[in-house]
Amino acid sequence: GAVVSQHPSWVICKSGTSVKIECRSLDFQATTMFWYRQFPKKSLMLMATSNEGSKATYEQGVEKDKFLINHASLTLSTLTVTSAHPEDSSFYICSARALVSGRRVTDTQYFGPGTRLTVL
Amino acid sequence: TQLLEQSPQFLSIQEGENLTVYCNSSSVFSSLQWYRQEPGEGPVLLVTVVTGGEVKKLKRLTFQFGDARKDSSLHITAAQPGDTGLYLCAGAIPTNAGKSTFGDGTTLTVKP
Repeated sequence: GAVVSQHPSWVICKSGTSVKIECRSLDFQATTMFWYRQFPKKSLMLMATSNEGSKATYEQGVEKDKFLINHASLTLSTLTVTSAHPEDSSFYICSARALVSGRRVTDTQYFGPGTRLTVL
Repeated sequence: TQLLEQSPQFLSIQEGENLTVYCNSSSVFSSLQWYRQEPGEGPVLLVTVVTGGEVKKLKRLTFQFGDARKDSSLHITAAQPGDTGLYLCAGAIPTNAGKSTFGDGTTLTVKP
């Protein structure tokens, strides 16, 4: 249980184009999903919190017009990198928040496999 | 301010050795997770601990949650090369809108 998928797993695009990344919780509903960026050999950097049915909450320093987030349903959140530039190249990871496991309140994030974005 | 301090940052050991990774904070967590991540992949959940003083075992891995729910440790017995990876701890803070605080990670290399 608690499987999160992410698509695509990797993408290469030209500078100036937009790229959409999908994050799906496959076997549970998630009112909250998170988007992270990770640099080589570093921990996760939270970009934004995606809430179903409402606007995303962005962390300080993250441009909301640059990284568009849509949480259209309880199982799907999308991140669109608009007008991508080489400095946007990175490993993007999403997670879905599960509050309960069986009868236990656990408040755990389950991660997708990540998307490697390369902007030429 | 780093809310969750993880140590050591890097660890290189020989196969068969034991090791412990620590996560410490001044904050109280409603739950704490340990993840393992391999290059090019997303973090994989190893365990969630919820109760202060809780100890969980997963084969050769032993996880402990501090009594005050502010710290945790991961102990690996007889490490194997397959244990190599980035280990991350993450704490869920009740008043933080569901966001978790992550440690900086421990890069473990187990040499055969």
